[in-house]
Amino acid sequence: DVVMTQSPLSLPVTLGQPASISCRSSQSLVHSDGNTYLNWFQQRPGQSPRRLIYKVSDRDSGVPDRFSGSGSATDFTLKISRVEAEDVGVYYCMQGTHWPWTFGQGTRVEIK
Amino acid sequence: EVQLVESGGGLIQPGGSLRLSCAASGFTVSSNYMSWVRQAPGKGLEWVSVISSGGGTYYADSVKGRFTISRDSSKNTLFLQMNSLRAEDTAVYYCSYGLLRDWGQGTLITISS
Repeated sequence: DVVMTQSPLSLPVTLGQPASISCRSSQSLVHSDGNTYLNWFQQRPGQSPRRLIYKVSDRDSGVPDRFSGSGSATDFTLKISRVEAEDVGVYYCMQGTHWPWTFGQGTRVEIK
Repeated sequence: EVQLVESGGGLIQPGGSLRLSCAASGFTVSSNYMSWVRQAPGKGLEWVSVISSGGGTYYADSVKGRFTISRDSSKNTLFLQMNSLRAEDTAVYYCSYGLLRDWGQGTLITISS
């Protein structure tokens, strides 16, 4: 199975400051169709997960443009340009290239 | 608007069976991937199973041979048949549409004697 490793696991941030989460996969996530199925999810306290980013860098409808995804092959990053209070929660990367699909451990974002 | 509503959760003894349902609206369940993802209390997300638009099914190793995913297009509903349940299957189970684009509110399954 593809192992997804996130860092850091806890991220205290100051409101208005940037934040960055790293996600590394144990093998390349480039699919035979040429796409890279790396997704990012946000889970606010007490809520269902919400997809933010798909295929590395495509933002889902309604997701603020302060969220951005980048990376390739095995190294990926989620960036929040200016953290707001509503961004508190746990963020997960997930690969949909290889079966079984697998998630990272999650990164908890909190306000300092 | 896509809506997903899970049901069927509850308390069940180890070794028992349960069937979860996910009623969909705003799209047809056979049009795209439909998945189940679970989250044990205080833990991270674990993908469980998916059914493709073509009917192909895939499972996590932890549930293979015990769980079966299916859909009923006439009812526009996704199902998860869960057999031989274990304590470690205790979790909130979410259904999801597409490549985990849309999610339901989840239903809690507790396996305990």
